[in-house]
Amino acid sequence: GQQLNQSPQSMFIQEGEDVSMNCTSSSIFNTWLWYKQDPGEGPVLLIALYKAGELTSNGRLTAQFGITRKDSFLNISASIPSDVGIYFCAGLTQGGSEKLVFGKGTKLTVNP
Amino acid sequence: KAGVTQTPRYLIKTRGQQVTLSCSPISGHRSVSWYQQTPGQGLQFLFEYFSETQRNKGNFPGRFSGRQFSNSRSEMNVSTLELGDSALYLCASSLGLARFNEQFFGPGTRLTVL
Repeated sequence: GQQLNQSPQSMFIQEGEDVSMNCTSSSIFNTWLWYKQDPGEGPVLLIALYKAGELTSNGRLTAQFGITRKDSFLNISASIPSDVGIYFCAGLTQGGSEKLVFGKGTKLTVNP
Repeated sequence: KAGVTQTPRYLIKTRGQQVTLSCSPISGHRSVSWYQQTPGQGLQFLFEYFSETQRNKGNFPGRFSGRQFSNSRSEMNVSTLELGDSALYLCASSLGLARFNEQFFGPGTRLTVL
């Protein structure tokens, strides 16, 4: 089945640093979504991308839909302690019965 | 507006038992999707219900089933529980069918199978 490879698996950074994470797949997706999950909560949608090459920002977060439609990137600028959590990418399959396929997440730790 | 609620929040069962989990969507939302989250496999789509009918299904065995009621509330059932069914089960609701970019997730039910 379709799989998403998300990296890195975890990151330990200092407050104020920028963060980058990415997802790649051997399959083409027509939508990419980025979520954040806090402990004891469900994922919350951060950014949705709909077109190859699309670059979208949400505050300090910026995400891009790869030109090949097989990858996506999320950047967080000037990290703060509340950025701590697990970030997931998800791709929406094309055609027929649509399903979301998730990456395994990037666990972000921010040291104040 | 109340968010997606899931009950119970925590559940402990033994192998071979069955379990039913409940999800109440955001008022006005007609689609409910269910996901399984484990450390090894991550988040995996189970199924989606809309207007009381299952519309999409992931790659899970028939032991996993669900239903949706006329008020859009949904239940998920797992029969003959196995140790590997231990997971966080999340439901998400949206206004329409397959509106994955507009889903709101509940806090999940943590199921432990002993």
